[in-house]
Amino acid sequence: QVQLQESGPGLVQPSQTLSLTCTVSGGSISSESYFWTWIRQPAGKGLEWIGRIYNTGATNYNPSLETRVTLSVDTSRDLFSLRMTSVTAADTAVYYCARTRNYFYNGYYYYYTDVWGKGTTVTVSS
Amino acid sequence: EIVLTQSPGTLSLSPGERATLSCRASQFISSGYLAWYQHKRGQAPRLLIYGASTRATGIPDRFSGSGSGTDFTLTINSVEPEDFAVYYCQQYGTSFGPGTKVEIK
Repeated sequence: QVQLQESGPGLVQPSQTLSLTCTVSGGSISSESYFWTWIRQPAGKGLEWIGRIYNTGATNYNPSLETRVTLSVDTSRDLFSLRMTSVTAADTAVYYCARTRNYFYNGYYYYYTDVWGKGTTVTVSS
Repeated sequence: EIVLTQSPGTLSLSPGERATLSCRASQFISSGYLAWYQHKRGQAPRLLIYGASTRATGIPDRFSGSGSGTDFTLTINSVEPEDFAVYYCQQYGTSFGPGTKVEIK
């Protein structure tokens, strides 16, 4: 079955750029009906949706983050990436990559996130 | 932007009791857009319910979802020890509610 694995630096300095990559295995990132998503969880807080990208490169971003976030996809290597600029301590969190399914059936559009990576901890500190 | 509100914030229960978790949207959402997740410390979140009421693969039938429009409910009939966790609703595959913690009484 499809598995996702996050990778990237665990420590980023304030004001610098956070970069993470998610590698998809057991399936193709070019499969129809899937978005590729980033979600984070700061310590002691809830889940925060960051954004999603389709295999065409089309994106949706959390309005609160979109001025600092860029998602990209590499279909030849089955991976997608997150880039977040000007980070602060508030960006310290566990970052998850995930697969969001989207399809139309019986009169309804469905959206749900069915596969998750294990998560990677990113700390913003000097 | 649609905002999801969950209540209660914390639910204290004994094993075997029934849990009723609420998720309210700030405006109408299609049932197909509403999903529920279970999240345990140190693990990735797990999809429980999608389309407001359809159990995901492998989810026990003690978990059920209901509701429509702006009001949705996740019910756990007879809570098991492994069910103590935080539960989130999500709409449109984007924004999450703040979560409900189900803890041991």
